[in-house]
Parts: sequence; C-alpha cells; structure tokens
Amino acid sequence: GQNIDQPTEMTATEGAIVQINCTYQTSGFNGLFWYQQHAGEAPTFLSYNVLDGLEEKGRFSSFLSRSKGYSYLLLKELQMKDSASYLCAVTDSNYQLIWGAGTKLIIKP
Amino acid sequence: ETGVTQTPRHLVMGMTNKKSLKCEQHLGHNAMYWYKQSAKKPLELMFVYNFKEQTENNSVPSRFSPECPNSSHLFLHLHTLQPEDSALYLCASSQAYGEQSGYTFGSGTRLTVV
Repeated sequence: GQNIDQPTEMTATEGAIVQINCTYQTSGFNGLFWYQQHAGEAPTFLSYNVLDGLEEKGRFSSFLSRSKGYSYLLLKELQMKDSASYLCAVTDSNYQLIWGAGTKLIIKP
Repeated sequence: ETGVTQTPRHLVMGMTNKKSLKCEQHLGHNAMYWYKQSAKKPLELMFVYNFKEQTENNSVPSRFSPECPNSSHLFLHLHTLQPEDSALYLCASSQAYGEQSGYTFGSGTRLTVV
C-alpha cells in the first residue's frame, strides 16, 4: 500500500527552528508537496520538490531525498503565526496525490 | 480569499435531510476536486473532474453525488448521510488533472450530521 508518515504533533518555541519530517512509500514518485493549514482555513501551498536537495524560500526550506523516501520542512525564526498543521503529499506514478495526516505545530512564547 | 470559494462554511443536517455544498473558482483551472478531511486522518480524495468530466470516484457511497455544470463550479449533493460523514469537506482546483501543479483549496464546509 501507499503510505505517508509524519509526526502527529510538535511543539517549538518562538524564535527557534523546527524540522518536520515526512517519509513515504509510494508506487512511483513524481514530486512532493508541503502545505500549511491554519485551523478552520484552507490548506495553502508552501513548497514543491521533485529533485533531491534543499529548496529555500524565506524562513521556510524543504529538503528531499528520493533514495531514502524522505523529506523535511524546516521553519526558522518561528513566529506565533506559524502555529498550524503542515501536510506532506506525494504524487505517485499515476499522478495521484497521496496525503499524510498532517503535523500539528504548536508554537509557545 | 484563496481563489476558491466554498459555501456554506458550516452545515448541520439530519440524517434524512438533503443539502448541497457549493464550490466556485475563477482561477481558470480545469480540474476540480472534492476531499474529505477527518481529524488526524489524511485527506481522502472523493471525486475529480477534469474539463467538466468526472475522472475519479474513489469508492464513495452513493449518498454523495457530485455535479460539475462548468469548469468554474462544483457541487456535492448530500442525502441520507450518516453521523460518520461528519467532517470538513474541502474543494480544490488545479490547472489540469495529472499535471504537476499545486492545488488551490477552499476553506471548506464543516459538516455535522445529527
């Protein structure tokens, strides 16, 4: 079966750095997405990785290792507004999006 | 505004009621999706429409009936639902199905079946 694993919940301190991991087992791979979802709001696109390596976009970076079936989302200089759920999703060989259950990130002052 | 608008935001319905969820996008996208989001579970794809044609129906019970009159509008008709159908229902759109483009989501309809 196809599976995406990510931690259910993480807690971090304002101003710190946090890394949210995502591992996947899918039939084929055509890219990995990270989305942010604040409570009661729409998921919004954060990043897309299809090649190995680190993609940096401001305070957020996303890393991919296809050989390890592994990605992480790195959030720097955490702000209270970063409290949200972070969803990892992989596109398989049929271009179906397989979703993880999401990681709820709690930021404390 | 995310570019995808869903109404209503909240809906409480009895098991014998009939209601409809509405989704609208004016992004020029050609693919539209219905997802079910339950607490602590992955997003579940329900239906996909690509250029107004239904391309996916992921074993969804017949009490959920989609309709796509044009590429900008998508409906989900609900009837005789069960309490376990209570969830957040998300609509999304993308440039086209199967292309490597991100999805734009609506804010969802929080459905409670009593």
